[in-house]
Amino acid sequence: NAGVMQNPRHLVRRRGQEARLRCSPMKGHSHVYWYRQLPEEGLKFMVYLQKENIIDESGMPKERFSAEFPKEGPSILRIQQVVRGDSAAYFCASSPTWGAETEAFFGQGTRLTVV
Amino acid sequence: QQQVKQSPQSLIVQKGGISIINCAYENTAFDYFPWYQQFPGKGPALLIAIRPDVSEKKEGRFTISFNKSAKQFSLHIMDSQPGDSATYFCAAELRGAAGNKLTFGGGTRVLVKP
Repeated sequence: NAGVMQNPRHLVRRRGQEARLRCSPMKGHSHVYWYRQLPEEGLKFMVYLQKENIIDESGMPKERFSAEFPKEGPSILRIQQVVRGDSAAYFCASSPTWGAETEAFFGQGTRLTVV
Repeated sequence: QQQVKQSPQSLIVQKGGISIINCAYENTAFDYFPWYQQFPGKGPALLIAIRPDVSEKKEGRFTISFNKSAKQFSLHIMDSQPGDSATYFCAAELRGAAGNKLTFGGGTRVLVKP
């Protein structure tokens, strides 16, 4: 059973370009969380999605950021018109459901560098 | 407030020594407290976790102590080994229909010297 797969592992974008980050959850997992980690800081929650639904996007910046988790295919975190401050590691985690006996497993992250 | 404060930011310990990392939280609604270990270039991996109705949990060399009244919890790494050198994050989680959302501390970089 493969773990949570994120790609690309490293992404370099020029200011103003779009960044598209992909997350394939573990097999059987239908819940996906995105977190952002700035250098030397802890992870910050961005968004929680179930298949075809955004459940909680309270951590998402109001502009330029969007996320989706379609019925088929990976979850996508999209950052439009990237700025230098978007440079960070973006981690995806997945779980089979929610609740007391559920753990989320993290991918290895996508490290975005905006130049 | 949904904050978790972690200290120290970094820690150097000799092989065989004890590493102690402390965390404090504010929101009494948190109902799960995991610790994650992260190696450079990798994602966080769950190390050990505790529920608020338990005061201590031990798994091998790793022990969580939990003080609900003080809203504090700590990780003790006994007999620290060079392979334990990593960044450790405490977290607090709200588990429910709105998902299992983690609030992380700022991290502690642990270096175990041989």
